[in-house]
Amino acid sequence: DTEVTQTPKHLVMGMTNKKSLKCEQHMGHRAMYWYKQKAKKPPELMFVYSYEKLSINESVPSRFSPECPNSSLLNLHLHALQPEDSALYLCASSQAMKGVGSNQPQHFGDGTRLSIL
Amino acid sequence: GESVGLHLPTLSVQEGDNSIINCAYSNSASDYFIWYKQESGKGPQFIIDIRSNMDKRQGQRVTVLLNKTVKHLSLQIAATQPGDSAVYFCAENAEGQNFVFGPGTRLSVLP
Repeated sequence: DTEVTQTPKHLVMGMTNKKSLKCEQHMGHRAMYWYKQKAKKPPELMFVYSYEKLSINESVPSRFSPECPNSSLLNLHLHALQPEDSALYLCASSQAMKGVGSNQPQHFGDGTRLSIL
Repeated sequence: GESVGLHLPTLSVQEGDNSIINCAYSNSASDYFIWYKQESGKGPQFIIDIRSNMDKRQGQRVTVLLNKTVKHLSLQIAATQPGDSAVYFCAENAEGQNFVFGPGTRLSVLP
């Protein structure tokens, strides 16, 4: 079992819906990440939080809104998504070093499979 | 931008044989590398890592080799088992930068 827990495992939503993806880790990691993964492709970085502050936004559309309520939780709020946003959304965490995510392994959850109708 | 690539997109091996998965990287500043295994319906699972001050690191049934001269990374799996069937990603990291993932190699273990 992974030490990074993501809920829900599957989500189907319409383009006008608002939903949230949740991620939790209790490894004491202070860096947390959201990735998007399309079928047969590697994960693509979306956001990085370091010590609960957003440090990197990889030019992600505003219909994706991340939130880090505390050092263990990471949310991704979704609104007005498009069909091309259907993908596996992965959360990861790592020990934060000087320089975001530097030289420390990232531990991934099993993702939320998102389908946009 | 710079990217990490793989020579073989798919690899089929007989059960019990050794597997070698290759990865080429182009960022000369990268100093930390990870191999991940991703099974169907799951997230990437950490297998082994290596820092640039090493050229070889061994784990349980796995060995990672790093050749900085030609910017090449490989993952060797000894006595490949059906449970090793998955997609394998290499990822590179330069200090202060994000991880860059390679395109992945699918490993199929034949009975």
